[in-house]
Order: sequence, then structure tokens, then C-alpha cells
Amino acid sequence: DQQVKQNSPSLSVQEGRISILNCDYTNSMFDYFLWYKKYPAEGPTFLISISSIKDKNEDGRFTVFLNKSAKHLSLHIVPSQPGDSAVYFCAARPEYSGGGADGLTFGKGTHLIIQP
Amino acid sequence: DAGVTQSPTHLIKTRGQHVTLRCSPISGHKSVSWYQQVLGQGPQFIFQYYEKEERGRGNFPDRFSARQFPNYSSELNVNALLLGDSALYLCASNPRGSAGSNQPQHFGDGTRLSIL
Repeated sequence: DQQVKQNSPSLSVQEGRISILNCDYTNSMFDYFLWYKKYPAEGPTFLISISSIKDKNEDGRFTVFLNKSAKHLSLHIVPSQPGDSAVYFCAARPEYSGGGADGLTFGKGTHLIIQP
Repeated sequence: DAGVTQSPTHLIKTRGQHVTLRCSPISGHKSVSWYQQVLGQGPQFIFQYYEKEERGRGNFPDRFSARQFPNYSSELNVNALLLGDSALYLCASNPRGSAGSNQPQHFGDGTRLSIL
């Protein structure tokens, strides 16, 4: 049972336009959400995160939106650049208790292709 | 500052063998997590260690084990290797603060394990 779902395996966007990557989750205990970017032959690189007490977090060209009632989050990249071409993973975990595990649950990823 | 470092980069083993993968966290990070990523999937949580104790375990068989050393580095051991263990093994570290603090995990570039 997939608890984090990225339903678009790939997405093609023209350079300079907005890229919107979507992620849905089923576990209502998830409290902290992250986006990672991965190039081939490299590990995932942390991009941006959001906790459940917020509905938006912005960092430069990257904005993450969280809709808790719909159990949905999205990553917006504006403007899209050629270097943004990569696989993007959505990840989530329950509230950190201080003593327990905070292992992440990942989606399958979306391959973003920025067209010149 | 050095990021998360993993060794070896690539490894080829045959079925039934044993393997040990190594990870050094970012300086100052006390928590280390291990993930397995098979082709076409997102990383899947295997273990988390904090202060040399196992704090969480994913849905993996007992053939998988790990430990953390006093310098916070970690080893992942896999016994009786199966063809299905072929994957990219990722290590991640984070500072791990008090309850309620959200700290992203930072990943190494992984060890590519191939089982023949």
C-alpha cells in the first residue's frame, strides 16, 4: 500500500514556464513533508520542506503548497530552468517524537524535463 | 564542509554472499538512516540509528542489519544476498534535535550493489 503517491511519472515543461509537481498521501499521521531532487548517479538533494502547521513555504524559485484536508501537496518551480531537469521525489514522515524513528516514506518520483 | 560519504561506490556480489556498506554522516549529525532504492521506485526506509541505538526499522528481513559507531559513522550489513537485493543503497544523516524540531535528512550518493 503506497502511502505517498506521485501519479505523474514524467512531466515536460518549456524553459521559463512554471513547473508544478504533485504528490498525494494517505497516512493522516504524516506531519512533515519534503521534496528532493535527484540527478543520475547522485543521491537525492534536499530542496524544500513544509510542516503541517503551514500551508505554504517558499524558497527562491521553489514553493511548496500543502492542503491537509485533501492530503495533497505540490511543488511549484518558477521560472523553470534547464538545470531543473531531474527526478523529483516527495517524502513524508509522522511528527517527530524525539525518541522514535523519523524515517521518510517516499513516492516513486516524477521525471521533470525542461525543454529549451 | 563534507557531505554524507558512502563507500564503496559500486559493488558486485554473487547470490549467497555477504556485504558491508559504510557511511560517514555530515560532521555534527548524530542520526544516520539507510534506504534501499530499486530501479523505478523511490527510496525505501531500512533502518535509523541515533546515538548508536536502533530507533526505527522498515519492512526488511533479518538478513539486513546495521550498527552505528561512537563517531556516528554506520555500517549496513546484508547476509545471504538475493538477486532482489540489487539496488542503490543510500545513507542519510540529520542533526536530530528535540521533539518537534523538523530537520531534513541529507543523502550521500549511495552504493550501487549488483548481485549476479
